[in-house]
Amino acid sequence: QQQVKQSPQSLIVQKGGISIINCAYENTAFDYFPWYQQFPGKGPALLIAIRPDVSEKKEGRFTISFNKSAKQFSLHIMDSQPGDSATYFCAASSYSGAGSYQLTFGKGTKLSVIP
Amino acid sequence: DSGVTQTPKHLITATGQRVTLRCSPRSGDLSVYWYQQSLDQGLQFLIQYYNGEERAKGNILERFSAQQFPDLHSELNLSSLELGDSALYFCASSALTGGAGLFFGEGSRLTVL
Repeated sequence: QQQVKQSPQSLIVQKGGISIINCAYENTAFDYFPWYQQFPGKGPALLIAIRPDVSEKKEGRFTISFNKSAKQFSLHIMDSQPGDSATYFCAASSYSGAGSYQLTFGKGTKLSVIP
Repeated sequence: DSGVTQTPKHLITATGQRVTLRCSPRSGDLSVYWYQQSLDQGLQFLIQYYNGEERAKGNILERFSAQQFPDLHSELNLSSLELGDSALYFCASSALTGGAGLFFGEGSRLTVL
């Protein structure tokens, strides 16, 4: 069964704090791990992604940490801002060529950043 | 703006009816994916088309069907609608060269009364 388990389901963080969302996967064939950010009434938007040959990727305040042996990856949002309040989805994918991704999503984490 | 266009944005209909949701992928993208997102639920993969052909199937009900046309736009047909079909339906497309994941449209919100 291809599953991606995401936790926590919801998260409240003070402005300026660090938000951490964790995901675990089972299928070792996954080779691409994106994070999506979704605001209410909008579609998910790709935030940051990592491939399993690196252990960390940083883009601005967003960092993905990847542990291949534990089959876990996490999203860290540094200096969290109220504008970061959204639902975050992790995903795991295997690329089957010709632009075809088989994405499996976690159930999402609703992040609220309070002033 | 992801470049993926979905219509209609909102749709209200009655049980037993049939609706069609439309999606135009980003320019140049050949793959189209359909996802269902119910209230407080994650994204459930329904079906994928690549250049007009069905490529992968997920948790799509038999009452639902989709197709991708020669101009690459796609339609998702939902028939014999039930209350439980009320959800956000997202379309996404992906680049041929890969590496950038999926680009989602803003969704079609279906309400079945």
